[in-house]
Amino acid sequence: RKEVEQDPGPFNVPEGATVAFNCTYSNSASQSFFWYRQDCRKEPKLLMSVYSSGNEDGRFTAQLNRASQYISLLIRDSKLSDSATYLCVTGRTGANNLFFGTGTRLTVIP
Amino acid sequence: DTEVTQTPKHLVMGMTNKKSLKCEQHMGHRAMYWYKQKAKKPPELMFVYSYEKLSINESVPSRFSPECPNSSLLNLHLHALQPEDSALYLCASSPGLGSYEQYFGPGTRLTVT
Repeated sequence: RKEVEQDPGPFNVPEGATVAFNCTYSNSASQSFFWYRQDCRKEPKLLMSVYSSGNEDGRFTAQLNRASQYISLLIRDSKLSDSATYLCVTGRTGANNLFFGTGTRLTVIP
Repeated sequence: DTEVTQTPKHLVMGMTNKKSLKCEQHMGHRAMYWYKQKAKKPPELMFVYSYEKLSINESVPSRFSPECPNSSLLNLHLHALQPEDSALYLCASSPGLGSYEQYFGPGTRLTVT
């Protein structure tokens, strides 16, 4: 079983829509959680860390459910510039690297 | 400053060539990473360095040889590559190993002919 699983999409949404991505992780020892954004032919960039209490950054809200081992990312009022692949990433003490999901492709349509 | 730099941006090499990819960070991070990424796939870990020592080699073929001259620099030496090695090679750094966030460089797009 993969450490991190995501719906690959693609998600095609109109501008202004709200879209939610989900991700599950298999290792209960996971203790850090991130969403990265990757534009076509560019490097992944850290979008936000995900905290147990949930956190918000402008139009982006991330939530963590440790009991269900589930992470989500909500994007409100989608912009054309939000079109990208969103990678769900986890980390845990004792591992020497992070664990990447396969990414969810989002296209925001005018 | 959360910048990781990589050179070159693009590289085309023949199967008999020897070339090197370079990565630099000035964030005082103690862990550095090499990833390989193919189109529409997530980054695939190749090597991890912690405090300038090789911590992980994910069974990468010996035609890829990493080097960490100091805590800010990471090189990837390439020799006798195959066309299937063509990919985006990403360098990343993090404050330490384990659960810390990683910061990626812009990558080197490698084409092996």
